[in-house]
Amino acid sequence: AQTVTQSQPEMSVQEAETVTLSCTYDTSESDYYLFWYKQPPSRQMILVIRQEAYKQQNATENRFSVNFQKAAKSFSLKISDSQLGDAAMYFCAYRSARGGTSYGKLTFGQGTILTVHP
Amino acid sequence: NAGVMQNPRHLVRRRGQEARLRCSPVKGHSHVYWYRQLPEEGLKFMVYLQKENIIDESGMPKERFSAEFPKEGPSILRIQQVVRGDSAAYFCASSPQGLGTEAFFGQGTRLTVV
Repeated sequence: AQTVTQSQPEMSVQEAETVTLSCTYDTSESDYYLFWYKQPPSRQMILVIRQEAYKQQNATENRFSVNFQKAAKSFSLKISDSQLGDAAMYFCAYRSARGGTSYGKLTFGQGTILTVHP
Repeated sequence: NAGVMQNPRHLVRRRGQEARLRCSPVKGHSHVYWYRQLPEEGLKFMVYLQKENIIDESGMPKERFSAEFPKEGPSILRIQQVVRGDSAAYFCASSPQGLGTEAFFGQGTRLTVV
């Protein structure tokens, strides 16, 4: 079974600064997807960024980028030029690329609460 | 992402009552997933359904919990004889056919058992 670990329960950053959230995972599979989701106080789960394991290039979405280290099974999220609206709980998630009963099922980490100070 | 509708947003039940949580997926999505989020924790997978079929219910408690996704209408997560420990946020997600596609989440139903 796959596991996802976020070792930072809380992080804080000054507005306009950069912060990195850590995530490690464990799997015996070679092909999979990794995601970062943002959960603001409204509880809505918002997809921030995704990474396909077969791609060596790190994914980037505007101010959000990842550092994907497949051999180390590490998937960190970097938020540049942090904004007050970035304050939320962030979840790292894993999804197998296999079909069948595993199809689409996400395994989440425990979450990291990000506080942004003005 | 605006398409997954869950209702109610908040549900209060007394111990021993039944809770019914509804999820309408994005139009055209045939895959539905239910997750539970206990306070201060991440989301935990409960069940994966396609139309009229339960594909994987490995995360769902064996007793009191059931789920369905009928041919017509929303997916329903049903919890019978609720207990305090069932208090949580329950999220539904849907995705279309095909690997590599993104799952879209609803806003969740917060169940409080008093």
